[in-house]
Amino acid sequence: QQQVKQSPQSLIVQKGGISIINCAYENTAFDYFPWYQQFPGKGPALLIAIRPDVSEKKEGRFTISFNKSAKQFSLHIMDSQPGDSATYFCAARNTDKLIFGTGTRLQVFP
Amino acid sequence: EAGVAQSPRYKIIEKRQSVAFWCNPISGHATLYWYQQILGQGPKLLIQFQNNGVVDDSQLPKDRFSAERLKGVDSTLKIQPAKLEDSAVYLCASSLGLAGVGYEQYFGPGTRLTVT
Repeated sequence: QQQVKQSPQSLIVQKGGISIINCAYENTAFDYFPWYQQFPGKGPALLIAIRPDVSEKKEGRFTISFNKSAKQFSLHIMDSQPGDSATYFCAARNTDKLIFGTGTRLQVFP
Repeated sequence: EAGVAQSPRYKIIEKRQSVAFWCNPISGHATLYWYQQILGQGPKLLIQFQNNGVVDDSQLPKDRFSAERLKGVDSTLKIQPAKLEDSAVYLCASSLGLAGVGYEQYFGPGTRLTVT
């Protein structure tokens, strides 16, 4: 019940396209849902986050869509760029602990 | 501001040997986390400190792993003896306080451990 399921495992997108990564959870006690971006050899860095009382949050080219009833949330990267090539992790917070998804490796080709 | 510092960046040891990792959090950050990230998986919390006290170590294999945070600043994570399945990246993160909204966790670059 503490798991966060993430898909797809890998994603290849052409420059300018839309990248979509999905996550699902079971535990309704989760109260904060961040997305992290990780480049090779670096630690994860917070990209964007949402609370369950909001259905969508947008920051630049990055948007989180949140469906509380379905217990699903997704990251949309608009106008994907080669510099967006990285591994993306969704996460969910419960009593101060972050539970991470398994990650999605995104490759954006020119 | 300076980020979370970790050392060493890479370590290769044989099984049954011991190893220690060091973390220096961002100045003023009260909460410190150690995560284990196995290749192809997301980070898994091992232990969480609030100042120099342990908040959660439920996922720490205490028969071989130990961690301390002296004086509520730097922290060390030790593995003794190491097993092959300990091969992973060990990430340290810090935050101003508990991971509430707005209390972002900042991650260090990690230490990649290979156990042969």
